[in-house]
Amino acid sequence: KNEVEQSPQNLTAQEGEFITINCSYSVGISALHWLQQHPGGGIVSLFMLSSGKKKHGRLIATINIQEKHSSLHITASHPRDSAVYICAVSPGRTGGTSYGKLTFGQGTILTVHP
Amino acid sequence: DTGVSQDPRHKITKRGQNVTFRCDPISEHNRLYWYRQTLGQGPEFLTYFQNEAQLEKSRLLSDRFSAERPKGSFSTLEIQRTEQGDSAMYLCASSLGSSANIQYFGAGTRLSVL
Repeated sequence: KNEVEQSPQNLTAQEGEFITINCSYSVGISALHWLQQHPGGGIVSLFMLSSGKKKHGRLIATINIQEKHSSLHITASHPRDSAVYICAVSPGRTGGTSYGKLTFGQGTILTVHP
Repeated sequence: DTGVSQDPRHKITKRGQNVTFRCDPISEHNRLYWYRQTLGQGPEFLTYFQNEAQLEKSRLLSDRFSAERPKGSFSTLEIQRTEQGDSAMYLCASSLGSSANIQYFGAGTRLSVL
């Protein structure tokens, strides 16, 4: 069993729909990251969080430390949101030190149709 | 452009040849990471530098792999006697600080071993 599991693996939506991608992890972490990867492109960090909720534009990330679960939400989805979304964790303890190396989920391929 | 550059972007080589990749991180970043990503999977951690010191190596990194960061700035990753299983995207990332900070990724070097 992978230390970081994402669901779904593939997600297809119509423009305007509300999207949720889930991430569960099995190790202690100092932080959880959501990243975006476009085809042929590099990886861009969307959020880093260790508690609660963060919002940036139409993207919202939440984390429940007790349940070891995080969600990434996209409101009013758009075709330009089509990408691979990856959940990753920095192993360690909340508030503790970490080298910051990331353990990644397998990614969720999101396709938003106009 | 995240400010992390990798060279080359693509490398095609024959089995048994040696290859070397270069990563130039964001200049003030003291941490540098190498990851490997195969098709349809999330990246996997290979190794990590803090300044010029290589502090951790994954079990994935066989003796054929070596990485250096001689002056704490750019880094090189060399693969000797390449095998077809080495075909992957090799990603470099850098970050600043002593905790689980946001990592900035390069566009990657795609290696194809024929």
